Amino acid sequence: AQTVTQSQPEMSVQEAETVTLSCTYDTSESDYYLFWYKQPPSRQMILVIRQEAYKQQNATENRFSVNFQKAAKSFSLKISDSQLGDAAMYFCAYRSGRGGSEKLVFGKGTKLTVNP
Amino acid sequence: EAQVTQNPRYLITVTGKKLTVTCSQNMNHEYMSWYRQDPGLGLRQIYYSMNVEVTDKGDVPEGYKVSRKEKRNFPLILESPSPNQTSLYFCASSLTSGRSTGELFFGEGSRLTVL
Repeated sequence: AQTVTQSQPEMSVQEAETVTLSCTYDTSESDYYLFWYKQPPSRQMILVIRQEAYKQQNATENRFSVNFQKAAKSFSLKISDSQLGDAAMYFCAYRSGRGGSEKLVFGKGTKLTVNP
Repeated sequence: EAQVTQNPRYLITVTGKKLTVTCSQNMNHEYMSWYRQDPGLGLRQIYYSMNVEVTDKGDVPEGYKVSRKEKRNFPLILESPSPNQTSLYFCASSLTSGRSTGELFFGEGSRLTVL
């Protein structure tokens, strides 16, 4: 079974600085998706960024980018120019690309605090 | 607007009193799923459905039931709630693999407290 590990329960960053959240995963599959979801105090699950395993290029969405290392099974999230609104719980998640295996497997989350 | 709608958003109930949390999506998604979120444990899958009348257990199904009689609806039923089912619940949906970008669309969550 696939597993996702977030080794940092909590992180903090100064406003306008850069922070990197770590995520590793375990799978024997070659076709899969990886995600970072943000959960602010409103509790809503918001998709931050998505990476397809077959794509070598790292995904980028504005101030958010990932470092996808397929061989190392690592998928870290970099937040540049951190803003107060980035404070939230961040979840890394894995989803198989194989038909019939639609489950999203989550890490336990990293709580990010942004200091003014 | 494409969305997943859960109700109720907040509920306080007592042990043993049956309750249903409704979930509806308007995106014609085949796949629907329920997750529970607990501190320090992340989100864990309770049940899922690949299509109408097709449901299966996730990782933590004990104490829950589901049904999928219509494509858009996937209610979560707690026949006899217990305090250990106090949690934050999410419904989610997506297209199935092969037609999907992989993204799961989430409802806004339902905070359930069982006394």
